[in-house]
Amino acid sequence: DIQMTQSPSSLSAFVGDRVTITCRASQSIGKYLNWYQQKPGKAPKFLIYIASILQSGVPSRFNGSGSGTDFTLTISSLQPEDFATYFCQQGYSSPVTFGQGTKVEIK
Amino acid sequence: EVQLVESGGGLVQPGRSLRLSCSASGFIFGDYAMHWVRQAPGKGLEWVAGINWKSDTIGYADSVKGRFTISRDNAKNSLYLQMNSLRAEDTALYYCAKARTTGITAGDDHWGHGTLVTVSS
Repeated sequence: DIQMTQSPSSLSAFVGDRVTITCRASQSIGKYLNWYQQKPGKAPKFLIYIASILQSGVPSRFNGSGSGTDFTLTISSLQPEDFATYFCQQGYSSPVTFGQGTKVEIK
Repeated sequence: EVQLVESGGGLVQPGRSLRLSCSASGFIFGDYAMHWVRQAPGKGLEWVAGINWKSDTIGYADSVKGRFTISRDNAKNSLYLQMNSLRAEDTALYYCAKARTTGITAGDDHWGHGTLVTVSS
């Protein structure tokens, strides 16, 4: 199975900060990488697919990049509604696997 | 509007069985793969199983292979998860999720609210 490792596990940031989350796959997955946002008590929300394509309705301050084994999710200017946990997910092969999550907290 | 409504969760003893259902509406159910994803209390997301649009490609997490069975009925717009030989570590909120495409490894663009499964004696 492909292992997905996110870093950091958590971070604190101010509103307006630029935030970067990293996701690393245990083997090459091409661009088959998705990102989700989850707020407490809510279902995950689909943000990005194929590493860099924004799902409809997702603000342009979210940006995904990478290929192969290394990927990043960047929030260019953190907004109050962005404080949440973010998960990466590989869609290269079954079984599909998620990263352990990165919790973004208010500083 | 896409809606996914899970049902069938509850408290069950270890070793027993449970069947989850997901009723879908707002899209052409038979055109998309579907998934079950679970989240143990305070933990991350775990993909449980996926099924493609015509049920000829199915995948499972290693942790449930041989115990869980995913199925779908396109005529009834419904997804199912038969869970046998349940263990305490299967305790989680189980989400039904709609894939972005027909393939079982595609990302999930819509999610239900989840149904809670608690395995305990």
